[in-house]
Amino acid sequence: GIQVEQSPPDLILQEGANSTLRCNFSDSVNNLQWFHQNPWGQLINLFYIPSGTKQNGRLSATTVATERYSLLYISSSQTTDSGVYFCAAHTGGFKTIFGAGTRLFVKA
Amino acid sequence: EAGVTQFPSHSVIEKGQTVTLRCDPISGHDNLYWYRRVMGKEIKFLLHFVKESKQDESGMPNNRFLAERTGGTYSTLKVQPAELEDSGVYFCASSHTKGSPLHFGNGTRLTVT
Repeated sequence: GIQVEQSPPDLILQEGANSTLRCNFSDSVNNLQWFHQNPWGQLINLFYIPSGTKQNGRLSATTVATERYSLLYISSSQTTDSGVYFCAAHTGGFKTIFGAGTRLFVKA
Repeated sequence: EAGVTQFPSHSVIEKGQTVTLRCDPISGHDNLYWYRRVMGKEIKFLLHFVKESKQDESGMPNNRFLAERTGGTYSTLKVQPAELEDSGVYFCASSHTKGSPLHFGNGTRLTVT
């Protein structure tokens, strides 16, 4: 089955810094989602992005489907950005495969 | 629209006991999924319903887990008897059609002692 790999596994930032999180997938996907799991355990949908670039405030995402990767950019990071960021690939069927996540800690 | 809701938000039970988790999907979403994150590892697929039918249950770990979706509305996931390794966060998600965005509930944190 499809493999989804995220990097880096852990990231520590100083408040105000920018970062890029990467998601590689091993096969063609119908779609890709980015989620943020906050410290309370809730999964928050950030982007649903099969291709191209989307922006939402300080966050933006780019998916290059032909090269099988997606990037999540966080600019001017804040302490509330801390948590785990997951990408999830939608395959041709119904199954959605998650990456292992990037654990982000933003220091004040 | 109301989001996906899960009950309870937390559950602490002893090994050998039974626990039932509930998920109410977004109204009109035929597709309902169960996932879990165990021991801080990745989020793993458990199973998928289309209306009341199990479309894919390949992720169910063993026969101690039983999922139902009677009437194609809400779903329950029962763990009987619970084991220590079942501890984790159980997420439910729903989607409108195949390939459309998944909408997740807030999860149920299960602790088996």
